[in-house]
Amino acid sequence: GAGVSQSPSNKVTEKGKDVELRCDPISGHTALYWYRQRLGQGLEFLIYFQGNSAPDKSGLPSDRFSAERTGESVSTLTIQRTQQEDSAVYLCASSLGGSHQPQHFGDGTRLSIL
Amino acid sequence: AQKVTQAQTEISVVEKEDVTLDCVYETRDTTYYLFWYKQPPSGELVFLIRRNSFDEQNEISGRYSWNFQKSTSSFNFTITASQVVDSAVYFCALRDDKIIFGKGTRLHILP
Repeated sequence: GAGVSQSPSNKVTEKGKDVELRCDPISGHTALYWYRQRLGQGLEFLIYFQGNSAPDKSGLPSDRFSAERTGESVSTLTIQRTQQEDSAVYLCASSLGGSHQPQHFGDGTRLSIL
Repeated sequence: AQKVTQAQTEISVVEKEDVTLDCVYETRDTTYYLFWYKQPPSGELVFLIRRNSFDEQNEISGRYSWNFQKSTSSFNFTITASQVVDSAVYFCALRDDKIIFGKGTRLHILP
């Protein structure tokens, strides 16, 4: 009875390396969101997928960040050439289609850049 | 421009006191949705309530109540008879054509 699943739960990597974060949404949820949450801060929207529509990438902070989603299932968020400022918890959420639908969040991936 | 302001960064109250968390928003859209989410110390955000812009009825759910006022662009959240388990960070969010979260209010309920 799965909720949103994110992996890995923790990732430690060296500055300059690429990382890939994974999100498995709730089955049947057409919408998927990625957020970044720095320590003690609020949620910063990164990207939004809705069905087969073009994703809303307006929140991606730089071209080092990219995300893909296969159909209405798994999504991966990739950060290239990581920097220390990328250290944060990356949260994934999914919902049924429509702006009014509440989002269901995963536990997040805690990313630490050394 | 779209904006959500949670002016209270951190609040501490003694258990059993009532507490209100403020949320003020800005949007140019006439159709929008407002949400409250709770993030307990364990970290996972949990949906609490949704309101659409055409429904200004206040809502009560147990010890939780919400006051939506379009005239002041506010969607405040009150916890009555607070309990230690209410300690968490609470986020208000606005959804029009974008989604934006406030910075959150960290609530400490002291035993």
